[in-house]
Amino acid sequence: SQTIHQWPATLVQPVGSPLSLECTVEGTSNPNLYWYRQAAGRGLQLLFYSVGIGQISSEVPQNLSASRPQDRQFILSSKKLLLSDSGFYLCAWTGVNYGYTFGSGTRLTVV
Amino acid sequence: GQQLNQSPQSMFIQEGEDVSMNCTSSSIFNTWLWYKQEPGEGPVLLIALYKAGELTSNGRLTAQFGITRKDSFLNISASIPSDVGIYFCAGPPGYGGSQGNLIFGKGTKLSVKP
Repeated sequence: SQTIHQWPATLVQPVGSPLSLECTVEGTSNPNLYWYRQAAGRGLQLLFYSVGIGQISSEVPQNLSASRPQDRQFILSSKKLLLSDSGFYLCAWTGVNYGYTFGSGTRLTVV
Repeated sequence: GQQLNQSPQSMFIQEGEDVSMNCTSSSIFNTWLWYKQEPGEGPVLLIALYKAGELTSNGRLTAQFGITRKDSFLNISASIPSDVGIYFCAGPPGYGGSQGNLIFGKGTKLSVKP
């Protein structure tokens, strides 16, 4: 069966520090992968998506970047965090059908 | 671009009450999905609808694909405290959208008083 792993679950980082969040998927190949951000427990904002290794599309220009070094690995990064980067970050994947499967999320607090 | 409008934004109900929420769009959708997000977790798919007029149940949850293909409804019967969470509708853009990227509504936040 397919599973998605996302870590860490929570993170507190100072302003100006770097960020690396990792997401891996098991039990499938060539999935579409997504990074979402959710502020204040409300709507889901699509940040990046990837349809294959090395292929990254950015939906919103910002202080973040994404990379897909392997088929089932998706990484969200920042060189210097801003206070406004705080939020709940969700990774998701989809295969043939449209139903997304989400990871359990990372709560990022920038202080 | 295409948008999904969910209402109500939030609901405060008593345990045992029935709940109704809906999702509308100015554009046609060919698939409607309903997700539930519990506090501190990622959204989980509840029900998927693929055909106009389709009515699908998952336990106490029932969702309908509107016949105009521009709306969908989710009902929860006899609510219980564990129904608390944010309910999102979602669908793939019909034409000219990003490849396979779902559009999500802003969610309906449900609170249940025991």
